[in-house]
Amino acid sequence: DTGVSQDPRHKITKRGQNVTFRCDPISEHNRLYWYRQTLGQGPEFLTYFQNEAQLEKSRLLSDRFSAERPKGSFSTLEIQRTEQGDSAMYLCASSFATVYNEQFFGPGTRLTVL
Amino acid sequence: AQTVTQSQPEMSVQEAETVTLSCTYDTSESDYYLFWYKQPPSRQMILVIRQEAYKQQNATENRFSVNFQKAAKSFSLKISDSQLGDAAMYFCAYRLSPWGGGADGLTFGKGTHLIIQP
Repeated sequence: DTGVSQDPRHKITKRGQNVTFRCDPISEHNRLYWYRQTLGQGPEFLTYFQNEAQLEKSRLLSDRFSAERPKGSFSTLEIQRTEQGDSAMYLCASSFATVYNEQFFGPGTRLTVL
Repeated sequence: AQTVTQSQPEMSVQEAETVTLSCTYDTSESDYYLFWYKQPPSRQMILVIRQEAYKQQNATENRFSVNFQKAAKSFSLKISDSQLGDAAMYFCAYRLSPWGGGADGLTFGKGTHLIIQP
């Protein structure tokens, strides 16, 4: 296993379209996180899963955003009716639930909404 | 809500010299973890070093060490013998202890862009 992978790496879409991103975590990791990073800012937490259960959602995760992890392995993040303000890097991270819970990050999906 | 502040948008250091990146945070909790992450250009973020708030001893990892001042809510990163490969964005991050029942997501600062001059 070479680490957390994300697909696609880049996505350009028109305002109003729906987009879906995929994250494949490190295989033995049971926790999976989504973050959003805009230009010049640090990543902002969106949501996380333990196995298939979504345990926490940030207030940043509006109703247009939905995340799933159906079998406790890969996860998808869907944005419906995209807006220009959704343009950002979407980062996925995974961890094995321990005291330290070190999060390993993927390369991110860069979304541009025109 | 917890906040993390990095007051240095950019720092520059000569190769082989030492540089210190600053981070302050605000929390009402007593049990938490602090981290420094490195994000090289167009590459994924990796963990540099972590510090448990209950430990008084400052964490070290090879050329990287921290100065953790709990009362002052300060968590600076010192990089000794700077190398060209250290050039990156550095993010300070905070997370509540899992025993506190709080949020598990990381709270990040805005980052410091570190430039290494040859």
